[in-house]
Amino acid sequence: DQQVKQNSPSLSVQEGRISILNCDYTNSMFDYFLWYKKYPAEGPTFLISISSIKDKNEDGRFTVFLNKSAKHLSLHIVPSQPGDSAVYFCAFTAGAGSYQLTFGKGTKLSVIP
Amino acid sequence: NAGVTQTPKFQVLKTGQSMTLQCAQDMNHEYMSWYRQDPGMGLRLIHYSVGAGITDQGEVPNGYNVSRSTTEDFPLRLLSAAPSQTSVYFCASSRRRTGTETQYFGPGTRLLVL
Repeated sequence: DQQVKQNSPSLSVQEGRISILNCDYTNSMFDYFLWYKKYPAEGPTFLISISSIKDKNEDGRFTVFLNKSAKHLSLHIVPSQPGDSAVYFCAFTAGAGSYQLTFGKGTKLSVIP
Repeated sequence: NAGVTQTPKFQVLKTGQSMTLQCAQDMNHEYMSWYRQDPGMGLRLIHYSVGAGITDQGEVPNGYNVSRSTTEDFPLRLLSAAPSQTSVYFCASSRRRTGTETQYFGPGTRLLVL
């Protein structure tokens, strides 16, 4: 029973264009949403997050969108850079009292110079 | 600050052997956790700790033990290794126990069980 689905295992984008990574979830208890980035042979690093009371959060080139009615989360990277090439995981928690992050399977982004 | 450190980086075990994966953080974080990542899968929580002396099970705890005698260290013990435990193991820590806190991950330990 997958609570989180990242349906695109990989994505290739030209440098300078927009990268859009998507995540769908089924658990209505999730109310805090995060994106982590992972380079090979390194641990995941936090990228950006959004709480359920918002529908958009921006941090520089990165914007996260939340559509609660559709249970859909997306990450936009504009403009994409070669250094953005990594695996991106969406992750969810069920609120401030939760101890557990539930991760998607990841999407490998390749930004082509 | 070194952040979250893990040793060893890579280990090969035979079925039935035991070993301890080490994890340490120097950020005085209250919350620490262990995840495993299998090919094509997201990270899954094994065990977590909300402070020294307090541990609890995550999603996939079978075959693993943990203890937390100090704030800094959170070792993960494999009691009798099995091929199904071949994985990459990540330790993480965060300032507080709330789900909205950013978790900081170590570089991982790659484990191969033959």
